[in-house]
Amino acid sequence: DTGVSQDPRHKITKRGQNVTFRCDPISEHNRLYWYRQTLGQGPEFLTYFQNEAQLEKSRLLSDRFSAERPKGSFSTLEIQRTEQGDSAMYLCASSLGAAGYEQYFGPGTRLTVT
Amino acid sequence: AQSVTQPDIHITVSEGASLELRCNYSYGATPYLFWYVQSPGQGLQLLLKYFSGDTLVQGIKGFEAEFKRSQSSFNLRKPSVHWSDAAEYFCAVGPLGGSSNTGKLIFGQGTTLQVKP
Repeated sequence: DTGVSQDPRHKITKRGQNVTFRCDPISEHNRLYWYRQTLGQGPEFLTYFQNEAQLEKSRLLSDRFSAERPKGSFSTLEIQRTEQGDSAMYLCASSLGAAGYEQYFGPGTRLTVT
Repeated sequence: AQSVTQPDIHITVSEGASLELRCNYSYGATPYLFWYVQSPGQGLQLLLKYFSGDTLVQGIKGFEAEFKRSQSSFNLRKPSVHWSDAAEYFCAVGPLGGSSNTGKLIFGQGTTLQVKP
């Protein structure tokens, strides 16, 4: 069990650029979650997948954000036309099943938009 | 709407002293409850969870938490704090049932624990 991994760990980009983050969940986990954490706050839910299907998106996820999980394995989160307000830690988590199963978190990708 | 409140943003305790971190939740039914710890540069690690049954749950690293339905609380405790416990602690609620059965977690704002030598 190698844990959840995220790449890159840090990303600095200029406003208006597009960025893409990757999350590799624990291999047998069918659920994958994305959260966003800003300084001094707890993580906030963005979206989740069951296998390859994206089943819920938060209202925090504007149309500049898109997430995919092809073949139900790794997932990508893309932010288009980044804004300074997008600066945050983006966390990925995976779990074996539905509500109540433990979510295992990756180390996060810290995005800084200049 | 579901919510989680951690009233203490920052707590400082002396090493060896006892610790209690407060968590209150707002939810229509008994949710799943979690405590996570986050150290600088590290991901969130689950300390313990409550689903049902015994209201006093034991976790890793010597932590325990008690669910009190009447107070909508799930406070985290440790009898003797170690310097390595300095970190940020998050209480979280897992919605369940119906269209909310996504497994997504709702987190509190977090409590930063500082340990004095």
